[in-house]
Formats: sequence, C-alpha cells, structure tokens
Amino acid sequence: DAGITQSPRHKVTETGTPVTLRCHQTENHRYMYWYRQDPGHGLRLIHYSYGVKDTDKGEVSDGYSVSRSKTEDFLLTLESATSSQTSVYFCAISEGIGGKASTDTQYFGPGTRLTVL
Amino acid sequence: EDQVTQSPEALRLQEGESSSLNCSYTVSGLRGLFWYRQDPGKGPEFLFTLYSAGEEKEKERLKATLTKKESFLHITAPKPEDSATYLCAVRATSGTYKYIFGTGTRLKVLA
Repeated sequence: DAGITQSPRHKVTETGTPVTLRCHQTENHRYMYWYRQDPGHGLRLIHYSYGVKDTDKGEVSDGYSVSRSKTEDFLLTLESATSSQTSVYFCAISEGIGGKASTDTQYFGPGTRLTVL
Repeated sequence: EDQVTQSPEALRLQEGESSSLNCSYTVSGLRGLFWYRQDPGKGPEFLFTLYSAGEEKEKERLKATLTKKESFLHITAPKPEDSATYLCAVRATSGTYKYIFGTGTRLKVLA
C-alpha cells in the first residue's frame, strides 16, 4: 500500500471558519493532488502540486488554497468554510507526469470527511 | 469534451454469477485508463492501468480489457467480498494533470 495519510479523518466545523486538511506521503512522489467526492459526481480535482512550492488549480478550486513546503506534505485550506464544501476529501499521489506512462498511476489516501454546519 | 461514463450505475449479482462493468470514454488521446475499487468510507484502491487498445490485465477474479472507445472490468465467479464501488478514470495525452473520473458502478454480490 502507498504510504499516504490524511488528517484529520473526520471534522465538523461551522460556516465561516477556516479549515486545514493535511496529506502526508512517505513515497517521495513528485505529484500530489486534492480531490473532493460528492454523490452523483466523479472525483473532482481541486488543486494539484508538481513539486515543492509548485501548485496549480483544478476544476473546482474556488474557495480553496493549497501549500506544499516539503515533498511529503500537501495542505488544503478552506479559508472560510461554506456548507457547499461539505464533502469527502481525498489526497492522491503519483510518481510523475510526462515521463513513462506507468508513472501516471495515482494512489489515494483514506480520505477526510468534512461537515460544514 | 473529454468524458467518462460508467455503466451500470449499480449491479447485484449472486455469488458465482459472472458479469462485466463498462467504462466508455471520449478523450482527445488516451495516455492511460485506470480502474479502482472503493469500499465504503475508504479511499480508492488501485487495481489496473491499461495503456493501449487490446491490452488485458488480470488479478484474481478480475480482468480488465481496453478498446479504443471503452474498457470492461470482467468479474468471474464473484464472491461477497468483491462488493464495492468500481471507479474508472482516464488520462489524456493533452493536458498536464487532467484525470477524468467516472461516477462508478456499485457492485453488490449476494451470498
């Protein structure tokens, strides 16, 4: 199993409060991703990182920011949580993009269930 | 527009009753197609990556195949422990990060 942990695993918060989710990997993979999963939708990309301090937006990035100060850690911050951000959040990692196709495979963490009241 | 569609949405099988799940895709150019298994309350677990039409991969009771328009996940003589949601995703040759996920097939295998 890929060494990916997420914290916290569950969180309940109130509208308007800031929230930070953490993803930690022990695989030394270059790429890290944050997805959200909601009923009726496939996994949707929020942000991704292609190296330390290198990040970019995904398809549903509004209201979210990310940071990556070390290879192993990728943080997702909800600056001011809203009820529409109630979801399950997954972190994923991949070895690389653009090289051998075999490095494209993403491995997922266990998820964080976030409820915004 | 790049798109992935999985069918059926849900499937109930008796133990030992073989069947197939479908993943149809439309992308400008396929770099890879990925199958995952997801159990309730857990993250997707990687099963297979397929790269080119005609490729097949097997793992225990699962076999994945790929054509130019779709992929099938064949489940032979399933057991109750195969019950899960199966997700399909594709990565196109264009774009640096884009993985497109289907909404999954929920499989229930009855003893």
